[in-house]
Amino acid sequence: KQEVTQIPAALSVPEGENLVLNCSFTDSAIYNLQWFRQDPGKGLTSLLLIQSSQREQTSGRLNASLDKSSGRSTLYIAASQPGDSATYLCAVRSNTGGFKTIFGAGTRLFVKA
Amino acid sequence: ETGVTQTPRHLVMGMTNKKSLKCEQHLGHNAMYWYKQSAKKPLELMFVYSLEERVENNSVPSRFSPECPNSSHLFLHLHTLQPEDSALYLCASSQGTSGGTYNEQFFGPGTRLTVL
Repeated sequence: KQEVTQIPAALSVPEGENLVLNCSFTDSAIYNLQWFRQDPGKGLTSLLLIQSSQREQTSGRLNASLDKSSGRSTLYIAASQPGDSATYLCAVRSNTGGFKTIFGAGTRLFVKA
Repeated sequence: ETGVTQTPRHLVMGMTNKKSLKCEQHLGHNAMYWYKQSAKKPLELMFVYSLEERVENNSVPSRFSPECPNSSHLFLHLHTLQPEDSALYLCASSQGTSGGTYNEQFFGPGTRLTVL
């Protein structure tokens, strides 16, 4: 059974700092992995999607990497801003006997001005 | 109305009741999703429909029964629920899916469900 863990659970950093959020999964037979952000009281915003055949994806100040063999993905945020404050969720999708999606518990990020 | 709407916004029900949650999207999308967000558990993707066909079912108990009569409407029928089913139920829609790749999703405000 796939398990997804995100570390740290919460993070507080000063504005301008570069930071890394971690996501690990137990079953490396994944279809893709997706990073989302969730703002309080709102739905999810998709940030980056990495297919199982890819190693990384980039969008602006965000870079996500995927290492299937070690069951890890990282989300790198460069030059953090107060507007980056949110909960970041990692979702792992597999296709064994049908598509299944498992979310991590998230990392709550606070960027101080 | 624009975007994704959900009704009701709040629902309190007993364990023997039968109720339904409704989601409607006005974005012309053809994929719809049900999520469950509990206070102390990770977000759960429950069901995914693409072109009115269920393409993902994440081991959800049978007391939750989804229905997608057309690409604009999605229902979640509830019966014989348990107190631990109390949660925020979020609906989302997107323009298309490709296998297990779900495009950008737009979310409704959610239905806050309390099971007594």
